[in-house]
Amino acid sequence: SAVISQKPSRDICQRGTSLTIQCQVDSQVTMMFWYRQQPGQSLTLIATANQGSEATYESGFVIDKFPISRPNLTFSTLTVSNMSPEDSSIYLCSVARRLNTEAFFGQGTRLTVV
Amino acid sequence: AQTVTQSQPEMSVQEAETVTLSCTYDTSENNYYLFWYKQPPSRQMILVIRQEAYKQQNATENRFSVNFQKAAKSFSLKISDSQLGDTAMYFCAFTSQGGSEKLVFGKGTKLTVNP
Repeated sequence: SAVISQKPSRDICQRGTSLTIQCQVDSQVTMMFWYRQQPGQSLTLIATANQGSEATYESGFVIDKFPISRPNLTFSTLTVSNMSPEDSSIYLCSVARRLNTEAFFGQGTRLTVV
Repeated sequence: AQTVTQSQPEMSVQEAETVTLSCTYDTSENNYYLFWYKQPPSRQMILVIRQEAYKQQNATENRFSVNFQKAAKSFSLKISDSQLGDTAMYFCAFTSQGGSEKLVFGKGTKLTVNP
């Protein structure tokens, strides 16, 4: 298994500001992902965080809006930039060790933009 | 592109009864993995059960079992002896073999277990 610490657990932010979310894993993992879960909706993949290189973004998500860092195999950050109320969502970090095995999730960050 | 469809937005069941949640998916691949995740109000996503497409035998985990019909692209979850702690959102998810472990999720089914 993997224990994931995601911070902050929740935040209320002013529009136009940025928030950085941290994801720390208790052991080295191969894959790290960031998902968004809009209110009452399912999870949508934002990007794959690649260690030592630029993240791989899914259609509809761009680096300028959601810059991601992954300096090592246990840590990643997601920044939500220039926030608007439409960015109010739960953001979840997910990790996996090997292809196609269980993916573990952090408890998520509930973001409210006012 | 792969898609996952859960046609039941909400379901309810009496404690100790059995309930089945439906999931269908669309893919052109032959080898892939399917999952059911549970998300209680705490928001923590928890893996309930996993099925490898190349395995004909349906996966089981204690009170949880699946009915995997590869030709029909159907992957339903059966919960036996439902407990109050089973109340949660349930998401069906897909990932392709040899892919990057990206998960494609269905929209979820909100299950309520009533005492």
